[in-house]
Amino acid sequence: DAGVIQSPRHEVTEMGQEVTLRCKPISGHDYLFWYRQTMMRGLELLIYFNNNVPIDDSGMPEDRFSAKMPNASFSTLKIQPSEPRDSAVYFCASSPRGFDQPQHFGDGTRLSIL
Amino acid sequence: AQSVTQLDSHVSVSEGTPVLLRCNYSSSYSPSLFWYVQHPNKGLQLLLKYTSAATLVKGINGFEAEFKKSETSFHLTKPSAHMSDAAEYFCVVSDLNTGNQFYFGTGTSLTVIP
Repeated sequence: DAGVIQSPRHEVTEMGQEVTLRCKPISGHDYLFWYRQTMMRGLELLIYFNNNVPIDDSGMPEDRFSAKMPNASFSTLKIQPSEPRDSAVYFCASSPRGFDQPQHFGDGTRLSIL
Repeated sequence: AQSVTQLDSHVSVSEGTPVLLRCNYSSSYSPSLFWYVQHPNKGLQLLLKYTSAATLVKGINGFEAEFKKSETSFHLTKPSAHMSDAAEYFCVVSDLNTGNQFYFGTGTSLTVIP
């Protein structure tokens, strides 16, 4: 099992640019989560999907953030336009069934907005 | 409302001595409880989980945790610390009866002194 795969691992871009983060969950997992981790706020849940459908996006900070899951093996998190305060590590995680099951995390994308 | 409290933000132990990382939770019903470890530049990795089976849960790398309902605690222990245990540890709770959500503790940074 390859685990949850995120790309890119590192992204440095200038303010105002569009950023796209990618995630491939573990095959057969029905749930996919996007998190943001910063020193100030710790781990924050941004959005999660069940069977490719967005269920709760209340953690998405503002309209500049959007997430899609076009199929069971791929999800994207997009920031447009990006701002320096978006700098963080973004994690994707997947889970077999739901909230009584552990999550499997990718190694994250470290995003720096200059 | 659910909450998770990790009582120590930093713990230092000498190599070979016991480790105790404390976690208290509030839950109105039967929770699912998890401990994760995060090494630098890595995603969270599951150490162990409690889901209403045995109250003493054994995990990977010699870690274990005991679910104590009367104390609403789920402390993580290891008899003998190893240098490779130095990392950030997160206690996580979910309770399907009060909604689909994972509640993360703020983390405990473990330092192991040689």
